[in-house]
Amino acid sequence: DIVMTQSPDSLAVSLGERATINCKSSQSVLYSSNNRNYFAWYQQKPGQPPKLLFYWASTRESGVPDRFSGSGSGTDFTLTISSLQAEDVAVYYCQQYYGTPYTFGQGTKLEIK
Amino acid sequence: EVQLLESGGGLVQPGGSLRLSCAASGFTFSSYAMSWVRQAPGKGLEYVSTLSDSGGSTYYADSVKGRFTTSRDNSKNTLYLQMNSLRAEDTAVYYCAKGQSQSSSWSPFDYWGQGTLVTVSS
Repeated sequence: DIVMTQSPDSLAVSLGERATINCKSSQSVLYSSNNRNYFAWYQQKPGQPPKLLFYWASTRESGVPDRFSGSGSGTDFTLTISSLQAEDVAVYYCQQYYGTPYTFGQGTKLEIK
Repeated sequence: EVQLLESGGGLVQPGGSLRLSCAASGFTFSSYAMSWVRQAPGKGLEYVSTLSDSGGSTYYADSVKGRFTTSRDNSKNTLYLQMNSLRAEDTAVYYCAKGQSQSSSWSPFDYWGQGTLVTVSS
């Protein structure tokens, strides 16, 4: 199984400041035949199901604010929030869908400092 | 509007069985892979299973393989999860989720239900 490891486990950032969450996969999730990373980011707010933010590592899902960005390739990926808003408080998860089981990272809890 | 509505959760004794359902609407159900993901209380997301659009291919996490069976009835737009030999560690909210890409199991989950709670306890 591909192991997804996020860092940090929790993060406190001031409103308006940048937040960065990292995710590392135990093997590459880049499929060479189409040059796509089979990698996604999700946001989960308390009491809600997860919401897809990014797929193919950097393609923003419709409706996701552009202060959110996804980057990386192969085994190392980053989710960045350029200017933290109060509504961004949530737990963020990475996921690979390169191979089953489609494993998730352990989650990063983002809070306001 | 895409909607996924899980049902069938509840309290069950260790060793017991339960069948979850996920009623889908707002999209062509038969064209998309569907998955189950669970979340134990206060914990992270755990992948459970994916079933291809046709139902011909199924994938399971090792933790449920041999105990859980995912199926679908495309005529009823419904996904199922049959859970047997339940253990305390199966206690979780179970979400059904829709694959994003048509006719591909290798896609992220773009819509999720609200989840149904399964509690395994004596």
